Amino acid sequence: AQKVTQAQTEISVVEKEDVTLDCVYETRDTTYYLFWYKQPPSGELVFLIRRNSFDEQNEISGRYSWNFQKSTSSFNFTITASQVVDSAVYFCALSDVSSKLTFGKGITLSVRP
Amino acid sequence: ETGVTQTPRHLVMGMTNKKSLKCEQHLGHNAMYWYKQSAKKPLELMFVYNFKEQTENNSVPSRFSPECPNSSHLFLHLHTLQPEDSALYLCASSQGDREIYGYTFGSGTRLTVV
Repeated sequence: AQKVTQAQTEISVVEKEDVTLDCVYETRDTTYYLFWYKQPPSGELVFLIRRNSFDEQNEISGRYSWNFQKSTSSFNFTITASQVVDSAVYFCALSDVSSKLTFGKGITLSVRP
Repeated sequence: ETGVTQTPRHLVMGMTNKKSLKCEQHLGHNAMYWYKQSAKKPLELMFVYNFKEQTENNSVPSRFSPECPNSSHLFLHLHTLQPEDSALYLCASSQGDREIYGYTFGSGTRLTVV
């Protein structure tokens, strides 16, 4: 069975601080995909990144970066120089090639001016 | 607009009412999904349709009845709901019924059962 754990439930930072959102996953499959989604107050989930299990290269996209560590089954997400617009709920998710997405419970990030 | 449109955005219904949620996408996707998002819980997959055929029903109570008349439209018919059914109901679509194709989510319908 697949499982995604986002141990942090709420994080509050001041604008321009860096913040890391943790994600730990469990799966017995060797081929799987990891994702991060952002859910702003408007409700829709916005896709941020997809990573397959064979690609452990870290990725940077602007102020966003992701650290995939298979050895610790973690896929952490860092926002550098956070902004108020980053305030949202962030979900980590996992899927293998034969199943649907399994989501974590989400982390509510509040960025204060 | 995300490409997936859900109506209504908010719905308040009594436990004896019958209502329907609507989801529409014109992205050319073949698969559509209903998810339930309750407070403090992970998103729960409810139903999956691929090419209008239901391919997954995650033990959802019969008071929720999905309908997919074509690949662009998905409905969730609601009747005799319980207060614990109050949640955000999200629709999503994808090219195929595997997440590797990428899901596009709608903004959801916030349902309150009174």
